[in-house]
Amino acid sequence: KQEVTQIPAALSVPEGENLVLNCSFTDSAIYNLQWFRQDPGKGLTSLLLIQSSQREQTSGRLNASLDKSSGRSTLYIAASQPGDSATYLCAAINSGNTPLVFGKGTRLSVIA
Amino acid sequence: EADIYQTPRYLVIGTGKKITLECSQTMGHDKMYWYQQDPGMELHLIHYSYGVNSTEKGDLSSESTVSRIRTEHFPLTLESARPSHTSQYLCASSEFGEQFFGPGTRLTVL
Repeated sequence: KQEVTQIPAALSVPEGENLVLNCSFTDSAIYNLQWFRQDPGKGLTSLLLIQSSQREQTSGRLNASLDKSSGRSTLYIAASQPGDSATYLCAAINSGNTPLVFGKGTRLSVIA
Repeated sequence: EADIYQTPRYLVIGTGKKITLECSQTMGHDKMYWYQQDPGMELHLIHYSYGVNSTEKGDLSSESTVSRIRTEHFPLTLESARPSHTSQYLCASSEFGEQFFGPGTRLTVL
């Protein structure tokens, strides 16, 4: 059964810093890995989707990587801003008709 | 990007009432999901559907029920609301393994 872990659970950084959020998964036979952002009391916003055949995806200041052999994905945020403060979740889906498995998220605070 | 709509966005209701939370998507996705999330806590999958007339229970036991009569519509019903049902309910749909979420319904049962 797929399990997804995110470390750290919370992170506080000063504005302008580059940072990395970590996500690990136990079953390397994943179909996709998806990163989301959630603001308090809101739904989840999809940030990046990495298909199993890809190693990374980029969108603006965000870069997500995928290493299936080690069971890891990272979300890199460049030049962090206070508006980046949110909870970031990663989720993995295995091949076949199985639902996404979510990590518990990393709560990021960017201090001005 | 999928358009997913949830109504109502906020609901305050008394114990024992029957409620239905609505979820609709316009992208023709076969797969739809309901999650429950308490403030600051993790997501819990409570129901999902892989197509019309197909529904499955998720990882978290729930007293709610769902139906999937039309592809675009996946309502969640609580026959008798209780204070323990107070939470945020998030609907999602997916295609080719990419999932999209609605804005959520925040339910308070007094």
